[in-house]
Amino acid sequence: AQSVSQHNHHVILSEAASLELGCNYSYGGTVNLFWYVQYPGQHLQLLLKYFSGDPLVKGIKGFEAEFIKSKFSFNLRKPSVQWSDTAEYFCAVNGNNNDMRFGAGTRLTVKP
Amino acid sequence: KAGVTQTPRYLIKTRGQQVTLSCSPISGHRSVSWYQQTPGQGLQFLFEYFSETQRNKGNFPGRFSGRQFSNSRSEMNVSTLELGDSALYLCASSLGWRDEQYFGPGTRLTVT
Repeated sequence: AQSVSQHNHHVILSEAASLELGCNYSYGGTVNLFWYVQYPGQHLQLLLKYFSGDPLVKGIKGFEAEFIKSKFSFNLRKPSVQWSDTAEYFCAVNGNNNDMRFGAGTRLTVKP
Repeated sequence: KAGVTQTPRYLIKTRGQQVTLSCSPISGHRSVSWYQQTPGQGLQFLFEYFSETQRNKGNFPGRFSGRQFSNSRSEMNVSTLELGDSALYLCASSLGWRDEQYFGPGTRLTVT
């Protein structure tokens, strides 16, 4: 069965710091990859997605992620975080059986 | 376009009772998935429906069931409630196979 690992449970950064959140998955076939964000008190929202093509994908609010097939990774990055980026971030993988699996989530706290 | 709606938003039940949660997907979306979100377990996949057929099921006991209607609206039912069923139940809809999912606000179920 496919699984998703997010390495960091809680990340604390100061504003303007750079962010990288790790995501690794285990699945042998073709995958679609996603990052979702859940701001305090709000719904889960899609940040970005990768289906095929350019492995560097750009999402909303200045986020980007890079798919490295050989490493089974899909890390999320942002060059300069803002206080408003404080949220929980979830990596998700969808394989051939359309069984979407989410990582445990990484809580990001940005200090003003 | 209206988003995914879930009713009720909050529910308190006692052990042994059963509960039915409802989800209305985004208009035109035919796939509906259900997840259980808890602080300890994160987001766990319950099941997915497409055109009234259950296509995938997660590792939950048979007390958890669901269905989808011809208008794509979906319900999930939990029978013989246990304290451990207390969670946020999320519904997500997508256009089709392996597309990005759009989440509703969830139903917060508390079992006492």
